Formats: sequence, C-alpha cells, structure tokens
Amino acid sequence: QQQVRQSPQSLTVWEGETAILNCSYEDSTFDYFPWYWQFPRESPALLIAIRPVSNKKEDGRFTIFFNKREKKLSLHITDSQPGDSATYFCAASATGGYKVVFGSGTRLLVSP
Amino acid sequence: SVLLYQKPNRDICQSGTSLKIQCVADSQVVSMFWYQQFQEQSLMLMATANEGSEATYESGFTKDKFPISRPNLTFSTLTVNNARPGDSSIYFCSSRDKTGSDYTFGSGTRLLVI
Repeated sequence: QQQVRQSPQSLTVWEGETAILNCSYEDSTFDYFPWYWQFPRESPALLIAIRPVSNKKEDGRFTIFFNKREKKLSLHITDSQPGDSATYFCAASATGGYKVVFGSGTRLLVSP
Repeated sequence: SVLLYQKPNRDICQSGTSLKIQCVADSQVVSMFWYQQFQEQSLMLMATANEGSEATYESGFTKDKFPISRPNLTFSTLTVNNARPGDSSIYFCSSRDKTGSDYTFGSGTRLLVI
C-alpha cells in the first residue's frame, strides 16, 4: 500500500520556526489529499485537506502546497508551537474509491 | 462531523481466541473502513465494510482472519480470529460522509494478544 510517501520520517524544529513536511503520491486518480495529525494514544484527526483544483490551501498557521504535475505536496507549519508536536500523516483518496490511503507519517517535535 | 464509538477501548486475549470489536456511528454514513496501526507506525487500511454484503479486503488481510460485518449504515463489527501476538495493535474504524470530504475515526481498540 505504498501509494503515498512521506518525508522526513522525523523532524525537530525550534519553537517559532517553520516546519515543512513532504508528501508524494503515485496514483493519478487521487483527487483528495487530507492531512491528519495524531497525538500519542489518540485517534487521527483531520487537520487540513486540499483538492487538485487548488495549488494552495491555508488554515491559520497550516498551509498545503500542491504540485499536481510532480504529484507532490507539502505541509508548512509556520510559527511552530510545542503543542504542534505530533505525528502527521499525509493521505489520499480518489472519487469513487472513497477509501483513504495513508503515508508512513512524519513525527514532528517542536522544542521550546 | 459524524461521531464513531468503538468498544471495547482495549482488550487482552489469549493466543488462539477471537475478539470482536464494534463500531457505532451516531448517524448514517456512506462508507465505513477498518484500519490497523502498530505502535508509532502508519495506518494500514484493512478493509471497506459494505452494507449488507461482504467486505472488500486489502492485500494482506483476509475474511477468514478478520471477518467484518455491516448490517446497516450505522454499525460494523471487526472480528480477529485465532489471535496471535502479531495481531497486537490498535484497530480503528473510520467513516466517510456523502460529500467524500469528511473522514472521521473512532477512538480505537487497543488489542494485546498474549
């Protein structure tokens, strides 16, 4: 199920810095890309999502940049806070398929 | 957003036994899915639970080992048959609404097989 790849596996940034999490996919039929975050011992929760009609989606400090031609996207977290420390999953799904496929995750640590 | 309730939250079972996990949605949902997550790893899609018919399984998961039922649009069960220590993980149910944009997860069932 390696249809969605993420890098880096883990990332440490200082409080206030911008964290950049990368994601790529293979299946051209994917048309919905949600990012989930998961805190220890909790369920994944939807953070932000984008559809290919846009190349950018912003929600507060979280921004998705999307490159359809290269099948790549990235999540930028500006002014990172210690409370942002979590595992972030890039995911993808296709209209009609409905199921969501997850990447391997990036473990983010924001140091104060 | 739809709320999904899973039970049990956690369980310990002996090798060779079976465990049933229930997932209840507070409203009707189009699709329900089951995921497996080993500690600090990614979520692996196990199967799509189809209302009134057999589940659709992903590679590496079979109906004999993980039978799934979905009798209506708000309820699904996952059974772990002949449990082995390698099945020790967290099992999540998930659902998608009609817009295809709202995916939610249940609270998860943490299984330990000894």
